[in-house]
Amino acid sequence: DVKVTQSSRYLVKRTGEKVFLECVQDMDHENMFWYRQDPGLGLRLIYFSYDVKMKEKGDIPEGYSVSREKKERFSLILESASTNQTSMYLCASSLAGAGSDTQYFGPGTRLTVL
Amino acid sequence: GDSVTQMEGPVTLSEEAFLTINCTYTATGYPSLFWYVQYPGEGLQLLLKATKADDKGSNKGFEATYRKETTSFHLEKGSVQVSDSAVYFCALSSPGGSYIPTFGRGTSLIVHP
Repeated sequence: DVKVTQSSRYLVKRTGEKVFLECVQDMDHENMFWYRQDPGLGLRLIYFSYDVKMKEKGDIPEGYSVSREKKERFSLILESASTNQTSMYLCASSLAGAGSDTQYFGPGTRLTVL
Repeated sequence: GDSVTQMEGPVTLSEEAFLTINCTYTATGYPSLFWYVQYPGEGLQLLLKATKADDKGSNKGFEATYRKETTSFHLEKGSVQVSDSAVYFCALSSPGGSYIPTFGRGTSLIVHP
């Protein structure tokens, strides 16, 4: 069974802290994605990666960075957390190329920044 | 650019009622179309997909038909159950968007016994 795991289901941090959200997939997928989900706004793409050490900005990259040192792992970093980054964060992965674009999601991390 | 519009919720139904959730899209080329479902406390999971015009995707009693002439992919189920209560997302993936999926905002479904 395919699996995407995220390091925490719930996380509480303080304003200004550096926050790491980790995502691991076991499907040997090339593409990995980070989204945030907010009520009424749906899913918004923060960053994605189509290969190791490669990254592309999504729709809302400000305040975030990412790291992909290994194919199976994609990390989202909040350099200095702020209260407006309180949200649900979803990681996803997919195979590369047309026709293989079904996304597989992790369970999500609900981050609260106080 | 690509876009997906789906009906706002919540949609509230009684058990065994008929369900329709509308979805229309704008895309360049010939997109693939998806419905994802998010159960409470979980991530999204693929419910069904269709990759070309007139294809019908189906799963767990849900169906959606790829209508190119009306640029629509409406989700239907003949008889909903309480366990179908979830948020449903319509999405597309197209060559014009480099195959990065575009999601609708989601429609919450609440089914009462």
